[in-house]
Amino acid sequence: DQQVKQNSPSLSVQEGRISILNCDYTNSMFDYFLWYKKYPAEGPTFLISISSIKDKNEDGRFTVFLNKSAKHLSLHIVPSQPGDSAVYFCAAAVGTDKLIFGTGTRLQVFP
Amino acid sequence: DGGITQSPKYLFRKEGQNVTLSCEQNLNHDAMYWYRQDPGQGLRLIYYSQIVNDFQKGDIAEGYSVSREKKESFPLTVTSAQKNPTAFYLCASSPRTGNEKLFFGSGTQLSVL
Repeated sequence: DQQVKQNSPSLSVQEGRISILNCDYTNSMFDYFLWYKKYPAEGPTFLISISSIKDKNEDGRFTVFLNKSAKHLSLHIVPSQPGDSAVYFCAAAVGTDKLIFGTGTRLQVFP
Repeated sequence: DGGITQSPKYLFRKEGQNVTLSCEQNLNHDAMYWYRQDPGQGLRLIYYSQIVNDFQKGDIAEGYSVSREKKESFPLTVTSAQKNPTAFYLCASSPRTGNEKLFFGSGTQLSVL
């Protein structure tokens, strides 16, 4: 039972363009969402988060959008840079319960 | 520099052997976690600990054991009962249990000989 789904295993984007990574969830009780970025053979690093009381959170080139009615979360990266090439995981939690991670989307940014 | 240190980076296990993965943090975090990553799958929680001398099973605890004798250390033992141990193992910590953002170590790749 995959409560957090990232249906696109990979995404390829040209440098300078927008990257949009998507995440769907099934548990309407989730109230906190995070995105992590992971390079090969390294641990994930926190990127950005959003609480369910908001529908948008922005941090530099990264913006997360939350659509609660659709149970959908997206991460926008603009402009995309080659250094953004990595695997991106979304994660969700209910209150102080443990995080549930998606399966990840591999982003490749090409020149 | 504060952070989480995992060792070794690569580890090989023979059939029937127990192996222990080390995880040390100097962030003064109360909570520590072990995750497993397999290709095409998300991070799955093995065990977590909210406080010294206490730990709870995660979603895939079978074949694994942990201890939390010190706040800064949370070693994971992969026992011979774990039939499919080949994976990338990640240790993480957070100031307290909950939906705090996690700080991850750089991982240990375990392979079976």
